[in-house]
Amino acid sequence: KAGVTQTPRYLIKTRGQQVTLSCSPISGHRSVSWYQQTPGQGLQFLFEYFSETQRNKGNFPGRFSGRQFSNSRSEMNVSTLELGDSALYLCASSRRTGGGEKLFFGSGTQLSVL
Amino acid sequence: QQQVKQSPQSLIVQKGGISIINCAYENTAFDYFPWYQQFPGKGPALLIAIRPDVSEKKEGRFTISFNKSAKQFSLHIMDSQPGDSATYFCAATGETSGSRLTFGEGTQLTVNP
Repeated sequence: KAGVTQTPRYLIKTRGQQVTLSCSPISGHRSVSWYQQTPGQGLQFLFEYFSETQRNKGNFPGRFSGRQFSNSRSEMNVSTLELGDSALYLCASSRRTGGGEKLFFGSGTQLSVL
Repeated sequence: QQQVKQSPQSLIVQKGGISIINCAYENTAFDYFPWYQQFPGKGPALLIAIRPDVSEKKEGRFTISFNKSAKQFSLHIMDSQPGDSATYFCAATGETSGSRLTFGEGTQLTVNP
């Protein structure tokens, strides 16, 4: 069974640009969540989508948005990029939503904002 | 109240030794406590998890000890191996939090041969 696939693997953008990251969950998984990982702030929850609906949102500005498609694939978008948005963005999938569900993480997209 | 505090930040252990990583939480709504292992260039992978209705859970060389009254839990890695060298994260979530995990700061474990 294929794991969680994130594309692209690396991305370099400049301040003010926008970026879209993609995540394909494990087949059969309907929940997709996104996390930001930085050396200073660690792993922080961005949002979760389940059956195309946002179920939960972390404490990030509105520049961070996401969506989920009917095939459970998800995208996240960051508009008006700032230097501080440089991070590893991780996608995780699970069969269902709810505490206790086993999350499977992808290898992430490393975003560098110059 | 949402934080999970993890210590130590880094840990060096000799091969065959015991690695111990500690975490503490405040939010009493948390009822699921997983540990994740992350290697460079990879995403975190679930190692072992526990619910507060048990005080200990063991899977192979990995054991979680849980103290509900103290709101603390710890990961013990017995017979540590160089291949265990990685970053370990504790996390917590509650039934109403969906897939929202609150992570500790991480522990960089190095096991010397």
